[in-house]
Amino acid sequence: DSGVTQTPKHLITATGQRVTLRCSPRSGDLSVYWYQQSLDQGLQFLIQYYNGEERAKGNILERFSAQQFPDLHSELNLSSLELGDSALYFCASSAPGQSNQPQHFGDGTRLSIL
Amino acid sequence: GESVGLHLPTLSVQEGDNSIINCAYSNSASDYFIWYKQESGKGPQFIIDIRSNMDKRQGQRVTVLLNKTVKHLSLQIAATQPGDSAVYFCAEAYSGNTPLVFGKGTRLSVIA
Repeated sequence: DSGVTQTPKHLITATGQRVTLRCSPRSGDLSVYWYQQSLDQGLQFLIQYYNGEERAKGNILERFSAQQFPDLHSELNLSSLELGDSALYFCASSAPGQSNQPQHFGDGTRLSIL
Repeated sequence: GESVGLHLPTLSVQEGDNSIINCAYSNSASDYFIWYKQESGKGPQFIIDIRSNMDKRQGQRVTVLLNKTVKHLSLQIAATQPGDSAVYFCAEAYSGNTPLVFGKGTRLSVIA
């Protein structure tokens, strides 16, 4: 168990809909990262938050947004969903500090768009 | 469980043998490298990491080797066990608290 909790485990919805994925980081971790894993693109970084502030942005679509709350949990919002958004969405967290701080991943949310 | 990356390169090894999984990374400015193991239905699980100021780092049954000259990373697993069967990913980053860039993954299959 990595200590990172993601809910829900599975989501099935239709095109055009909006969903929210939730992540609770490991205790003490300030950074939260979101990644998308699809069969054709592999694991791709979407966005990073550190202590409530956006730190880095990757290949995140404008239809997607995220935030990190004062209790450090994070939500990833996906709107106007398309078939191609079907994927596994992972959250990872890491501890603060300048030295090696590996990211620890949750078990993901599987999003299926019908 | 679902399959991750149906067309991944596959390494098949006999139980008890040593495994070597290779990875080429892309950015010569990367300072931090990490290996993950992903089992079906699970998220990537941290195995071992290494900074660019090191060539080798050992863990329990695993060793990571870094060759910066040719931008190559390898993961060695000693005495491979059936429980080692999974997809293995290497990843690189500017530092330990920056976003990871993942390789495409290698599927390790252990033959009992």
